[in-house]
Formats: sequence, structure tokens, C-alpha cells
Amino acid sequence: DSGVTQTPKHLITATGQRVTLRCSPRSGDLSVYWYQQSLDQGLQFLIQYYNGEERAKGNILERFSAQQFPDLHSELNLSSLELGDSALYFCASSVGKGAGGKETQYFGPGTRLLVL
Amino acid sequence: GENVGLHLPTLSVQEGDNSIINCAYSNSASDYFIWYKQESGKGPQFIIDIRSNMDKRQGQRVTVLLNKTVKHLSLQIAATQPGDSAVYFCAEKGSGTSYGKLTFGQGTILTVHP
Repeated sequence: DSGVTQTPKHLITATGQRVTLRCSPRSGDLSVYWYQQSLDQGLQFLIQYYNGEERAKGNILERFSAQQFPDLHSELNLSSLELGDSALYFCASSVGKGAGGKETQYFGPGTRLLVL
Repeated sequence: GENVGLHLPTLSVQEGDNSIINCAYSNSASDYFIWYKQESGKGPQFIIDIRSNMDKRQGQRVTVLLNKTVKHLSLQIAATQPGDSAVYFCAEKGSGTSYGKLTFGQGTILTVHP
């Protein structure tokens, strides 16, 4: 158990819908990262938040957004869902900003999203 | 598994053998490398990491080797056990960046036969 929690574990929805994925980082970690794992793209970085502020963006679609709340939990919002958005979505957390040096990221169990 | 569509490299070994999993990375400026293990239905699990100022680091039953000249990373698992069966990913983080974005390799499927 990494200490990172994610809910829900599974999510089934229809095209065009909107869903929210939730992540709670390890106690004491200030950074939260979101990754997407799909069959054809592997593990892809989406976005990072540090202490409530967006820190870095990867290949995140405009239909997707995220935020980190004062209690440090994070939510990833996916809207206008398409079949191709079906994937595993992982949250990870680390102690600091991820800048330089050693910043181990610990991953949660993921949310499996299926868009029908 | 989640990465079948990528036609991942596979490695099959017998229990008790040593395993070597290889990874080529792309960014010569990367300064930090990590190996993760992902079991079916679970998130990636940290195994071992290494900074670019080192060429070898050892953990419990695992060793990571870094060759910056050819941009190659390897993970050695000693006395491989059935519980080591999983997909193994290398990941790199670029230097001089102010964020923690990790770039993952495609993964290698390790199967350990009893």
C-alpha cells in the first residue's frame, strides 16, 4: 500500500458525459500528479499540482481539467468523454515540487474508466 | 494487461534465476531514473532509483545500472521469484526542470515460472 488513495476504483459511463476522479496523496506529500495509462500510449503524464497550484502540464486534453484543494486532495475532471478516453487513470504524490534531486513518486491503485 | 497493445518486450525466467531488464532512454539531460513494478490491476510500485552521478545502485535483491554514454538503464533481479512476475517500467526525469514530470518507457513483461 503506497498511502495514495483513489476513488472510484471503476467507472463506467457513456460518451459525452463528465466524470470526476478523486485522489488523496500520502500524508505530508504536497505534490499530486495525474497519469493516464492506455493500451496504445502507455503511461502518460497529464498534470502536476504542488500545494494547490498547477506546476506542470503534459499532454492533457482541453476537455480535461484538474485542481488541488486546500486539504491537498486532488480531482481530475474529464468532460465530453469519448471512447478513446477509456483508460486507467493514476494519481501519484511526492513530498516536494519534484524539482531537481530525488523526488520519489508513489502511485495510487488507479481508476479504471470505461466509456461506452 | 494494460500494455498489451504496445507489444511489450517479454522476459521469461525460471524461479531462482537472475533477471535482467533493459531500458533505453531518450533524453541525455535526464538526471534521475526510476524503476517501477506494476502487477495486474495495481498501480506502479517504486522499486529503486538512481541519479545520473552514479552508475550503479543496489537494493534488496535488485541492482540498477546506468550507462549514460549509450543512454541505457538496466534492472537486475537476483534469485527471481514468482512474485516478481509483473510489468517493469523505467522512468526518467529531465534535469533543470522545476517540475516532476516522469517519462515512462513502454515496459517489459517479466514472467517467472516455478
